[in-house]
Amino acid sequence: EPEVTQTPSHQVTQMGQEVILRCVPISNHLYFYWYRQILGQKVEFLVSFYNNEISEKSEIFDDQFSVERPDGSNFTLKIRSTKLEDSAMYFCASTKREYSNQPQHFGDGTRLSIL
Amino acid sequence: AQKVTQAQTEISVVEKEDVTLDCVYETRDTTYYLFWYKQPPSGELVFLIRRNSFDEQNEISGRYSWNFQKSTSSFNFTITASQVVDSAVYFCALFVGSARQLTFGSGTQLTVLP
Repeated sequence: EPEVTQTPSHQVTQMGQEVILRCVPISNHLYFYWYRQILGQKVEFLVSFYNNEISEKSEIFDDQFSVERPDGSNFTLKIRSTKLEDSAMYFCASTKREYSNQPQHFGDGTRLSIL
Repeated sequence: AQKVTQAQTEISVVEKEDVTLDCVYETRDTTYYLFWYKQPPSGELVFLIRRNSFDEQNEISGRYSWNFQKSTSSFNFTITASQVVDSAVYFCALFVGSARQLTFGSGTQLTVLP
């Protein structure tokens, strides 16, 4: 069964450094998302992306964050200048159709640790 | 704004018992979609079940069943004959078109004891 794949599985970065989290969504999916989960807390929406542009973003997704689909397969989340509070698990998700009961399929996540 | 409430923070059962996880949601949208996801200790999010707002028929899939009641805005999830491998955090999630995102509840930690 097709999967969403995320790399790396764990990223350790110094505060203030830039980090790029990578995702390969399921190949025939059109809608892409990033969520994050601070340890022990609920999963929070960051951003949705369709047709090469952002569809929706949350208050968390400030100017330090950006997303890109640089080619036909990858979907990246960049944090420009990381802060301690950016430490979390970041999940990429994709779905074929949005306004439907098609579930969002999640990758295994990237655990980001900011030192 | 959307909201999902999972009042049960932790549940502990003995293997083979049935367990029901509660979920209450809030939305003003008339069309919406509800999901349950499982997060085992390894951390990934695994899709389990889904329900449309316009289909109140309850279903059973293997050991999983769900009870969707629009009148009480509830979408409860039952595992029959629980197994140790069911131990995980279970999240209820809501998707509405106006928000274009999944809104998750805070999760219920289920522990199934041997």
